[in-house]
Amino acid sequence: RKEVEQDPGPFNVPEGATVAFNCTYSNSASQSFFWYRQDCRKEPKLLMSVYSSGNEDGRFTAQLNRASQYISLLIRDSKLSDSATYLCVVRGTDKLIFGTGTRLQVFP
Amino acid sequence: DTGVSQDPRHKITKRGQNVTFRCDPISEHNRLYWYRQTLGQGPEFLTYFQNEAQLEKSRLLSDRFSAERPKGSFSTLEIQRTEQGDSAMYLCASPRPGQEYLAGELFFGEGSRLTVL
Repeated sequence: RKEVEQDPGPFNVPEGATVAFNCTYSNSASQSFFWYRQDCRKEPKLLMSVYSSGNEDGRFTAQLNRASQYISLLIRDSKLSDSATYLCVVRGTDKLIFGTGTRLQVFP
Repeated sequence: DTGVSQDPRHKITKRGQNVTFRCDPISEHNRLYWYRQTLGQGPEFLTYFQNEAQLEKSRLLSDRFSAERPKGSFSTLEIQRTEQGDSAMYLCASPRPGQEYLAGELFFGEGSRLTVL
């Protein structure tokens, strides 16, 4: 079983839609969680950290369910520029463990 | 620009040849990570350095792979006797400047894309 699992997608949504990505992790001792964004043929970049109480950054909301070992990312009012791959990331011992990524394509 | 630079950006080689990639991390940062990413997958951890010491190696790093960071600044990743399965993007990363240890943000270089024919 992979340490971090995501639905690879693609998710094809119209502009303005709300879309949610889910992720599960296998190590119950994990303490830190993140979402990274990766544009096509570019390097991954931190989108946001995920806090136990849930957190929001503009149109993006991240949530963590420790009991279910489940992380989510919600994007409201999707923009064309949101098209990218979204990587769920768990901090292991001194390294980051990435999921396979979920590809999002927003169309006009 | 993340401050992490990698060279070369692209490398095409024939099976069996050796290749070397170089990474210049965020200046004066003591941590440096190598990841590998294949199409449709997320980055996979290969190894990391604390200054010149290589502290952890993934089982993905077979004996054909060797990484060094001789002076605690730049790092090299060498692949000997390349195989077609080595075709991937090799990414180098540093944590946020000013953070001695990895909290959660890694700054990646643009990567070195390897194609083995």
